[in-house]
Amino acid sequence: YVLTQPPSVSVAPRKTAILTCGGDNIGSQVVHWYQQKPGQAPLLVVFDDSDRPSGIPERFSGSNSGNTATLSISRVEVGDEADYYCQVWDSSNDHWVFGGGTKLTVL
Amino acid sequence: ELQLLESGGNLVQPGASLSLSCTASGFTLSDSGMSWVRQAPGKGLEWVSGILTGGKTTYYADSVKGRFTVSRDNSKRIVNLHMNNLTVEDTAMYYCAKEDDGRFESWGQGTLVTVSS
Repeated sequence: YVLTQPPSVSVAPRKTAILTCGGDNIGSQVVHWYQQKPGQAPLLVVFDDSDRPSGIPERFSGSNSGNTATLSISRVEVGDEADYYCQVWDSSNDHWVFGGGTKLTVL
Repeated sequence: ELQLLESGGNLVQPGASLSLSCTASGFTLSDSGMSWVRQAPGKGLEWVSGILTGGKTTYYADSVKGRFTVSRDNSKRIVNLHMNNLTVEDTAMYYCAKEDDGRFESWGQGTLVTVSS
């Protein structure tokens, strides 16, 4: 199962960033999102399509339908600059799968 | 506080073997599935291997199947990854991650494996 993410997205501060994750009928899958800043381990920011772990700001939200899952970051801050990865469990192959990642740049 | 601490990373030659360990604290390891995820320099995340709670069920990415073996000792709170016949393509930061219902909710800081002649 292949997850496709755009390599980069740019957004101005205080605007909303939309990060996409494409996959065949991904809407039938459960999607998780991770944030990774340089030199750091990944951090789970959205799980089960749209839930947030404790401590993650409400500015981070997710949705999933059809062939695209989306991570939205509202009121973007410079501190949100990072690589973002989507991930699913591929039950057909008993594999966990990551997208290629999107580098979010705050202009 | 939940903590995952990887160790064992090193510089090795192609064809060598290496074992990584992940020591868990702050939660009951026997209740959690665990995985190894790697990241080659400048590249994205790649899931490598997973092991369920009891240790009898394991999963491997196609890129490492037959060369890597994952195991766990819940009594010692350790998850191991034994890697054989390493190639330059295995050069990466290797992360240990706690898996819960298909997601990786906690990660260690990683241990670096470099395969080079």
